[in-house]
Amino acid sequence: GAGVSQSPRYKVAKRGQDVALRCDPISGHVSLFWYQQALGQGPEFLTYFQNEAQLDKSGLPSDRFFAERPEGSVSTLKIQRTQQEDSAVYLCASSLVSGNTEAFFGQGTRLTVV
Amino acid sequence: EDKVVQSPLSLVVHEGDTVTLNCSYEVTNFRSLLWYKQEKKAPTFLFMLTSSGIEKKSGRLSSILDKKELFSILNITATQTGDSAVYLCAVGDYGQNFVFGPGTRLSVLP
Repeated sequence: GAGVSQSPRYKVAKRGQDVALRCDPISGHVSLFWYQQALGQGPEFLTYFQNEAQLDKSGLPSDRFFAERPEGSVSTLKIQRTQQEDSAVYLCASSLVSGNTEAFFGQGTRLTVV
Repeated sequence: EDKVVQSPLSLVVHEGDTVTLNCSYEVTNFRSLLWYKQEKKAPTFLFMLTSSGIEKKSGRLSSILDKKELFSILNITATQTGDSAVYLCAVGDYGQNFVFGPGTRLSVLP
């Protein structure tokens, strides 16, 4: 596809359930970012990959959050034992090269924990 | 801690008005400043600014960066209802991270 694709678009999880969110970046893009966006707020950085290497995971809020990009393309953000405060839109972005070139965003996954 | 502040947080104007959105930042090792428009979920890229004083323009939108005073403005002239969105400012550092501001919610009334 031409853009960044995320799935599912919507996810409702019961508290305590594990979830996995998928991101297909633009083909050939080296850098991949995950952001968490709460209602009415700007996106907050979670983690960054350069190819398959996770170079920065300083924004992951707890050890329940885990991200991987094993082959340097598709990435998965996993949240274990979800809690209500995890409810947010999770945005994935990719950029062509490492460094601050423009990043292109996916549509996001809206996670609601009930 | 890196910080990005946007003002106003929300703005209501009528079609044809001109608006100026502000973004100020405190970032260690500044590399670039980006503007995005967010209508539903996916922020769409507008501009990337790296040098002071050079205006970037795209149709009715323009933006400029002042690295000495640590701010940027986004201007929209002759606003249209389709300009209604949240406008996000993000600042990138050499650590590959982008820090986003809270956004300015612009509503353009017919």
